[in-house]
Amino acid sequence: EAQVTQNPRYLITVTGKKLTVTCSQNMNHEYMSWYRQDPGLGLRQIYYSMNVEVTDKGDVPEGYKVSRKEKRNFPLILESPSPNQTSLYFCASRRTGLGTEAFFGQGTRLTVV
Amino acid sequence: AQSVTQLGSHVSVSEGALVLLRCNYSSSVPPYLFWYVQYPNQGLQLLLKYTSAATLVKGINGFEAEFKKSETSFHLTKPSAHMSDAAEYFCAVSGFGNEKLTFGTGTRLTIIP
Repeated sequence: EAQVTQNPRYLITVTGKKLTVTCSQNMNHEYMSWYRQDPGLGLRQIYYSMNVEVTDKGDVPEGYKVSRKEKRNFPLILESPSPNQTSLYFCASRRTGLGTEAFFGQGTRLTVV
Repeated sequence: AQSVTQLGSHVSVSEGALVLLRCNYSSSVPPYLFWYVQYPNQGLQLLLKYTSAATLVKGINGFEAEFKKSETSFHLTKPSAHMSDAAEYFCAVSGFGNEKLTFGTGTRLTIIP
């Protein structure tokens, strides 16, 4: 089954404690991205990757890091989480090219206290 | 720059009534337009997309949308609402030569029995 898998689904952490949210896709997609969803703001892109070892900032990259060492994996790293990073996070993947469908993971609800 | 505006953060309709969710876009190039649906505690899934082949686009679950260039709109409709349509709906745009997918702020659809 074609899917994007994120882990964990729920996470509560304390300010400053490094964490990683994993994302893996089995569709051999080149393009992967991370979004955060906040009430009234919709989805905003954090980082994206066009292919292995190629990453770039989205609209709200501050406080986040990513890496793309393998085509299927695109982890999101918060090195020093803060309460304003409490949000719902989604990983997505798609083929490169115009008008292609994005496939989304189930989401990770992160709370930073 | 590209953007989408969704009018109405909350829409309520009676079961069996017409569903109309509004989306207006801004793009300096011919756009690709998408509607995604998010059911509670799930990721987003594609309802339909416009890629210039036809102005009236049919999607899953009886939804359709019409691209109107003169009005820069891509409104989503369904003739008869069902209880299972209760969800949040997102309009998104990407432009020719631009891989980025930009989302609107979302419309939460409530179905009244």
